Amino acid sequence: DTGVSQDPRHKITKRGQNVTFRCDPISEHNRLYWYRQTLGQGPEFLTYFQNEAQLEKSRLLSDRFSAERPKGSFSTLEIQRTEQGDSAMYLCASSLASSGSPYEQFFGPGTRLTVL
Amino acid sequence: AQSVSQHNHHVILSEAASLELGCNYSYGGTVNLFWYVQYPGQHLQLLLKYFSEDPLVKGIKGFEAEFIKSKFSFNLRKPSVQWSDTAEYFCAVSLAYSGAGSYQLTFGKGTKLSVIP
Repeated sequence: DTGVSQDPRHKITKRGQNVTFRCDPISEHNRLYWYRQTLGQGPEFLTYFQNEAQLEKSRLLSDRFSAERPKGSFSTLEIQRTEQGDSAMYLCASSLASSGSPYEQFFGPGTRLTVL
Repeated sequence: AQSVSQHNHHVILSEAASLELGCNYSYGGTVNLFWYVQYPGQHLQLLLKYFSEDPLVKGIKGFEAEFIKSKFSFNLRKPSVQWSDTAEYFCAVSLAYSGAGSYQLTFGKGTKLSVIP
């Protein structure tokens, strides 16, 4: 069973640097989601793709954040000019749109970002 | 916008004790409800889900939850906890319609459960 995978698992960067994270969803899943989780909080929605189309973005997703899913398979999340407030766990999830259970999301292990 | 409240930040129980974790949501329309669990060092896993069917939902590992619409609640229960249930538990809600905002999950802050052997 190949679940959702994320790379890297940990990233330490200096303030002002750019970082990029990758998410590989479960292979047949057409929906992909990015969430951010900070200490003591639950995950917060960032953005969502159906196939290659980015359909929703949260207000949390500032102009420094960009996400892509170029071929409807893997996705990347880039943060430009990182700030210390960007330090968080970045979670990816995927789901399969079907008549059965369109809203069940499967989560990956996350990428922990530390901005120094 | 919808929101989720989990009443307990940290719950400590002895093995074999009964568990009930509170979850309330705010949204006036039809919702889907979830409990996710995160064991130490592992990723979020779905424990159980409610999709507008039987209000009493049974999940994995002996967990169940009851949806009480009038109270906007979806409390998680287990009659007898084990040490292996030590984890963080998250309640989440999504809107049950096909439209903007319906696919995102809104999570509570989580409840840490520590089970003492």
